[in-house]
Amino acid sequence: GIQVEQSPPDLILQEGANSTLRCNFSDSVNNLQWFHQNPWGQLINLFYIPSGTKQNGRLSATTVATERYSLLYISSSQTTDSGVYFCAVKEGGGNKLTFGTGTQLKVEL
Amino acid sequence: DAGVTQSPTHLIKTRGQQVTLRCSPKSGHDTVSWYQQALGQGPQFIFQYYEEEERQRGNFPDRFSGHQFPNYSSELNVNALLLGDSALYLCASSLDRLTSGNTIYFGEGSWLTVV
Repeated sequence: GIQVEQSPPDLILQEGANSTLRCNFSDSVNNLQWFHQNPWGQLINLFYIPSGTKQNGRLSATTVATERYSLLYISSSQTTDSGVYFCAVKEGGGNKLTFGTGTQLKVEL
Repeated sequence: DAGVTQSPTHLIKTRGQQVTLRCSPKSGHDTVSWYQQALGQGPQFIFQYYEEEERQRGNFPDRFSGHQFPNYSSELNVNALLLGDSALYLCASSLDRLTSGNTIYFGEGSWLTVV
């Protein structure tokens, strides 16, 4: 099956700093989503982005499908950004999302 | 507009017991998927239901079974519980089987502890 790897595994930032999270996948995908999991376990959908670039406030994402990677940018980070960030992909012909290994982000004052 | 709702939120069971978890999809969604998330790991796909049938199954034993009702709500049943079944169980809903362009939404999950 498809492999999804994320980097870095852990990240500590000072409030106001910017960061880039990376997601590499091993095969072609037709669906890629970024999620934020809060400390209570809730998975919040950030972006549906199988290709191209999208922005939503302080967050933006870019997927280069031909090179099999996606990036999530967080600007002017806030303590509420803390949590785990997952990318998840869907291979063609299947119905399941395969999740990456996650990036644990902590934003400190 | 209600999102994906799951119940119960927390439960503790003893090894060998059986458990039923419930999920109501987001309004207008007809497809429900279940995921298991062990501590420190990403969610793992258990199975997906569409039109009251299991459409795809992940690498989970037959102890894990499910059901989808005509109103699209779903249940996950786990028999003969093992300590390793302790995890967060997440329900996800989408429209028409996670086709391209359809965003998937997750519930808050059910935390299962097996002792």
